[in-house]
Amino acid sequence: DQQVKQNSPSLSVQEGRISILNCDYTNSMFDYFLWYKKYPAEGPTFLISISSIKDKNEDGRFTVFLNKSAKHLSLHIVPSQPGDSAVYFCAAKRNQGGKLIFGQGTELSVKP
Amino acid sequence: DVKVTQSSRYLVKRTGEKVFLECVQDMDHENMFWYRQDPGLGLRLIYFSYDVKMKEKGDIPEGYSVSREKKERFSLILESASTNQTSMYLCASSLVGLGYTFGSGTRLTVV
Repeated sequence: DQQVKQNSPSLSVQEGRISILNCDYTNSMFDYFLWYKKYPAEGPTFLISISSIKDKNEDGRFTVFLNKSAKHLSLHIVPSQPGDSAVYFCAAKRNQGGKLIFGQGTELSVKP
Repeated sequence: DVKVTQSSRYLVKRTGEKVFLECVQDMDHENMFWYRQDPGLGLRLIYFSYDVKMKEKGDIPEGYSVSREKKERFSLILESASTNQTSMYLCASSLVGLGYTFGSGTRLTVV
């Protein structure tokens, strides 16, 4: 039972344009959501997070939007750069000590 | 910076061997985790530990065990390696309530 789903395995975007990565979840008890970025042969690194009491969090070129009624979150990267090419994982957890549940990942390719 | 170190980047083992994957973190984190990453399946939790000598099963514990004798070290053990355990293994640690810091991963191939 996949509680966190990323339905797009891959996404290709032109440099300078917007990248939008999507994530859906099924468990309404999740209260904290994170995005991780992973390059080949490296571990995932934390990118940005959002608490369920917010609907938007912004950090430089990265913005995460949360729609609790739709159980959907998205990561926007503007403008996209070739160095953003990586696999992006969405993750969610419930309560402070909860373990992270990850999605399947979306491979983003930003073309020069 | 928190550092999570996995002892091997690449391992090749034979079917039936007992395999030990080691993970060490240097920031006194209570929580440690083992995940495996497979194409199309994302990161799946194998085992985790909230304290020394404590362990809890994740979503796919079958064929694995863990050991946490010291706070900084969390070992993943494949009791009898099989080809379907060929994967990228990722260790992570965290303080309560915060996100994870991952190691660089161990690419295990079982032949």
